[in-house]
Amino acid sequence: QVQLVQSGPELKKPGASVKVSCEASGFPFTEFAIVWVRQAPGQGLEWLGWISPFNGNTNYAQYLRGRVTMTTDTSTTTAYMELRRLRSDDTAVYYCARVALTTPFDIWGQGTLVTVSS
Amino acid sequence: DIQMTQSPSTLSASVGDRVTITCRASQSIDNWLAWYQQKPGKAPKLLIYKASNLESGVPSRFSGSGSGTEFTLTISSLQPDDFATYYCQQYSNYPRYTFGQGTKLEIE
Repeated sequence: QVQLVQSGPELKKPGASVKVSCEASGFPFTEFAIVWVRQAPGQGLEWLGWISPFNGNTNYAQYLRGRVTMTTDTSTTTAYMELRRLRSDDTAVYYCARVALTTPFDIWGQGTLVTVSS
Repeated sequence: DIQMTQSPSTLSASVGDRVTITCRASQSIDNWLAWYQQKPGKAPKLLIYKASNLESGVPSRFSGSGSGTEFTLTISSLQPDDFATYYCQQYSNYPRYTFGQGTKLEIE
């Protein structure tokens, strides 16, 4: 079936990096884009960025530029989100989702909890 | 970036009530608006796209309306399963997206 399956929870120290994966199945990977969204504890949804597996084009939220890199591997139909120089306020559940030009986020991964703590 | 403002932040209601949540965009987004439902510990679920189109499998008691800058999500007769947090989202400014801050629907 159509699904996105994310990697497991992460515990990182401030200043470290984390790389979260999102494996797609059940649909043509290069015909959709992948977005990343996070949700801090008790807070709302925050869009982080977008990547096209077709050509690797990316678009990141302004406040994350320089700290985030999104990539895809079309051979394994997996998307990745790497966040560097982690801070305590990066503690959140990170989601990937599928999107197209005229459709919103219709398929979501299950979420990956990233905890940043010394 | 386009800002999205939802109201109210919290809504208390009872089973069987009709409820409405409002979402305003800082500039016109035509009808490029989606609504999501999120339950604790779960990923958001798409309910409505293009302001008024029901996603497959979503009960018909959910409906959306609006265009330009003003939008509403209405639940015609609340069911126990509907108590959750709801988010609006604009996707006019592809590929840059923004969400409203959410509306928590609580049991009164």
